[in-house]
Amino acid sequence: GAGVSQSPSNKVTEKGKDVELRCDPISGHTALYWYRQRLGQGLEFLIYFQGNSAPDKSGLPSDRFSAERTGESVSTLTIQRTQQEDSAVYLCASSTLLGGRAFNEQFFGPGTRLTVL
Amino acid sequence: SQQGEEDPQALSIQEGENATMNCSYKTSINNLQWYRQNSGRGLVHLILIRSNEREKHSGRLRVTLDTSKKSSSLLITASRAADTASYFCATAPIIFSGGYNKLIFGAGTRLAVHP
Repeated sequence: GAGVSQSPSNKVTEKGKDVELRCDPISGHTALYWYRQRLGQGLEFLIYFQGNSAPDKSGLPSDRFSAERTGESVSTLTIQRTQQEDSAVYLCASSTLLGGRAFNEQFFGPGTRLTVL
Repeated sequence: SQQGEEDPQALSIQEGENATMNCSYKTSINNLQWYRQNSGRGLVHLILIRSNEREKHSGRLRVTLDTSKKSSSLLITASRAADTASYFCATAPIIFSGGYNKLIFGAGTRLAVHP
């Protein structure tokens, strides 16, 4: 079937505005992850969903960041009152679970490039 | 602190040469994975090696794992210009309390293969 998709592919916004990023995981993948990648750097874990619940939100950088997942499928990452330091590529990944552990191969979407002016 | 750290940060070679990238980590792991990223977009899974494995091959890729040294290497043989990309290692730390664990990515190695 189709891979992980993300929308929009690019988003330019003004400082202080809210943005919403969307991720459609592979059908049947219980685990869903959001990462942030600043230019030239590695992946920074933001949040993990198992089904519709988020057992690990430890990576969210501030209370301006939130995410939800509905129907064990689509997830949205919302950034309120965006700041210039939020500029990055936001990547979503999904995977299956094995024995309740989410350490399988992750399948990544193409990312959303967010630019905050 | 970073769990997986790759070196070198950047590597430039000629087509046909072999490319070796290394990854070090800090905690005990269930498995270690290597991913490739083109042009700063989505990552593609290359290979997974479990903690009880020492070496694994996939096409021109060879991965080794030394759990005593907490290190892994990725070797790309007979490199091609199309191998130009960033390569990341990701570790799955062991957890004992049940539930899930997550992959922790390193900062990556930028590989440039020149024709």
